[in-house]
Amino acid sequence: AQSVSQHNHHVILSEAASLELGCNYSYGGTVNLFWYVQYPGQHLQLLLKYFSGDPLVKGIKGFEAEFIKSKFSFNLRKPSVQWSDTAEYFCAVNVPWSSARQLTFGSGTQLTVLP
Amino acid sequence: EPEVTQTPSHQVTQMGQEVILRCVPISNHLYFYWYRQILGQKVEFLVSFYNNEISEKSEIFDDQFSVERPDGSNFTLKIRSTKLEDSAMYFCASSDGTFPEAFFGQGTRLTVV
Repeated sequence: AQSVSQHNHHVILSEAASLELGCNYSYGGTVNLFWYVQYPGQHLQLLLKYFSGDPLVKGIKGFEAEFIKSKFSFNLRKPSVQWSDTAEYFCAVNVPWSSARQLTFGSGTQLTVLP
Repeated sequence: EPEVTQTPSHQVTQMGQEVILRCVPISNHLYFYWYRQILGQKVEFLVSFYNNEISEKSEIFDDQFSVERPDGSNFTLKIRSTKLEDSAMYFCASSDGTFPEAFFGQGTRLTVV
């Protein structure tokens, strides 16, 4: 079974700082990779996804992530964060061609951006 | 933009009572899911549903849990006899048959007292 690790539980940054949130997964085969964001009081929203092709994927709101297969990593980056980026960020994987397609989530990283 | 809707947003129930959490997935989606998030913990998969039957379930999804798609639009999660440890945020999600990303509802916060 696959698993996902997010090592940063809480990250505090000032506005305009650069962001990198770590995500590592454990699975021997091909995976689909996702980053979801949960703003306070809201539902999980998809930030970006990787299925295949270019390992550098761009998502909404200026976020991007790079899939490094040799490191089993899919780190999330943003060059300059804003106060409105304060939220919880979840990395997730699922297995292509699985009949169920369920997501396995990491434990999440709470990002606090100070104005 | 189509979205997954869940009702109620918050439910308080006494231990031992049955609860039904309701979800309306995105209309052309084929796969339906329930996840839960206990406060301070990670989002955990409970069950997936496809073609009117459970396609996968986790160890958490024991005999106390059941899912149903009673009509063409609703997808429900029933907990037969709630326990204190069932207190959590329950998320419904759906996905179509082409792309594997899931779209989530806003969640139902279940509090068992």
